Amino acid sequence: GEDVEQSLFLSVREGDSSVINCTYTDSSSTYLYWYKQEPGAGLQLLTYIFSNMDMKQDQRLTVLLNKKDKHLSLRIADTQTGDSAIYFCAIDTGRRALTFGSGTRLQVQP
Amino acid sequence: DGGITQSPKYLFRKEGQNVTLSCEQNLNHDAMYWYRQDPGQGLRLIYYSQIVNDFQKGDIAEGYSVSREKKESFPLTVTSAQKNPTAFYLCASSGLAGGETGELFFGEGSRLTVL
Repeated sequence: GEDVEQSLFLSVREGDSSVINCTYTDSSSTYLYWYKQEPGAGLQLLTYIFSNMDMKQDQRLTVLLNKKDKHLSLRIADTQTGDSAIYFCAIDTGRRALTFGSGTRLQVQP
Repeated sequence: DGGITQSPKYLFRKEGQNVTLSCEQNLNHDAMYWYRQDPGQGLRLIYYSQIVNDFQKGDIAEGYSVSREKKESFPLTVTSAQKNPTAFYLCASSGLAGGETGELFFGEGSRLTVL
């Protein structure tokens, strides 16, 4: 079955770049996603990348996809305190529903 | 505004009771999902439905039941058979059937606590 792995915690200082990493086992994903969860709330889509791309940039967000190593990363430039949240990567294998990683809690220190 | 509404936001239950969590969407999406979230474990799929009057078990369906009588509604019942029901429950929908990106739209969640 699908397996999606993320580190649980990342702490950065305000203004620095944050890099959140994700590895997965299923190589048939068509789309790969990054979601953000604020405390006590649902998940909101931040960005996604199509599997035939290796990079996607959207303002402060950069997504890198290495299909050979099955590695996905999310870089947040100029990290702000409002970026503090849990970030989930998710893959879509087209079979039934998205498979989510365990989430990375990003803590931004002023 | 279009979106997904979950209710109640907080729910307390005594052991041995069944409870039903509501999920309604007005996005005209065909597919709806229930996930359970526990600290440090990410989201685990309980049930999903890709069309009205049809639903499938996810990875942790034991102790839960669902129905999909209307396109916009997908209620989840947490039965007394669920051994460890205290968790944060998230409902989502997608327009997957329409050939879109498969993005899931989430509700704000329901936190169930068993006393």
